[in-house]
Amino acid sequence: GAVVSQHPSWVICKSGTSVKIECRSLDFQATTMFWYRQFPKQSLMLMATSNEGSKATYEQGVEKDKFLINHASLTLSTLTVTSAHPEDSSFYICSARWGRAGGLEQFFGPGTRLTVL
Amino acid sequence: RKEVEQDPGPFNVPEGATVAFNCTYSNSASQSFFWYRQDCRKEPKLLMSVYSSGNEDGRFTAQLNRASQYISLLIRDSKLSDSATYLCVVNPGGYQKVTFGTGTKLQVIP
Repeated sequence: GAVVSQHPSWVICKSGTSVKIECRSLDFQATTMFWYRQFPKQSLMLMATSNEGSKATYEQGVEKDKFLINHASLTLSTLTVTSAHPEDSSFYICSARWGRAGGLEQFFGPGTRLTVL
Repeated sequence: RKEVEQDPGPFNVPEGATVAFNCTYSNSASQSFFWYRQDCRKEPKLLMSVYSSGNEDGRFTAQLNRASQYISLLIRDSKLSDSATYLCVVNPGGYQKVTFGTGTKLQVIP
């Protein structure tokens, strides 16, 4: 399958700092990338959908000013958690999909485990 | 009714057993269906797509029943390495986001 990388794989930061997570599609051009969050023993929760060159679409309840998403190119999307707090500690996973029609699989990055102290 | 529903399990089965999971979906217009596998503290990985005619990949068989709006995953000859959470994913099609089920946990015991 297609390869999606994520960096960093884990990060520990102090409350109030900002954390940037990168998501790259390595062997294909991703027209759409998704950012998910997963708390322990819970399912994936979609945070936002981003298309290259346009503003991200955020899910209800997700603060767009807190979770900044930039889809700068067809192979790179970044999520910045601004002024992180302990409740933001979670497993953040990106996924990428190519093509414009539905029915195509999503390929996931390995995830970033964020711990905010 | 939830968009995608799965029995959370856990399903505890002995090695070599056959186990089946079902997943129901509410949007009758849904176009694509997938099964993903997620190991503990890891990202989901695509296991297989589910086609209208059903599809098989080794010990794994996936089927779609549009009339009853469910998909199934059958695992034959379970291995210890099959222990994971299996996520049902439904894509309504077009630009719409996919919907994940909450997952079914499988534990294969020696």
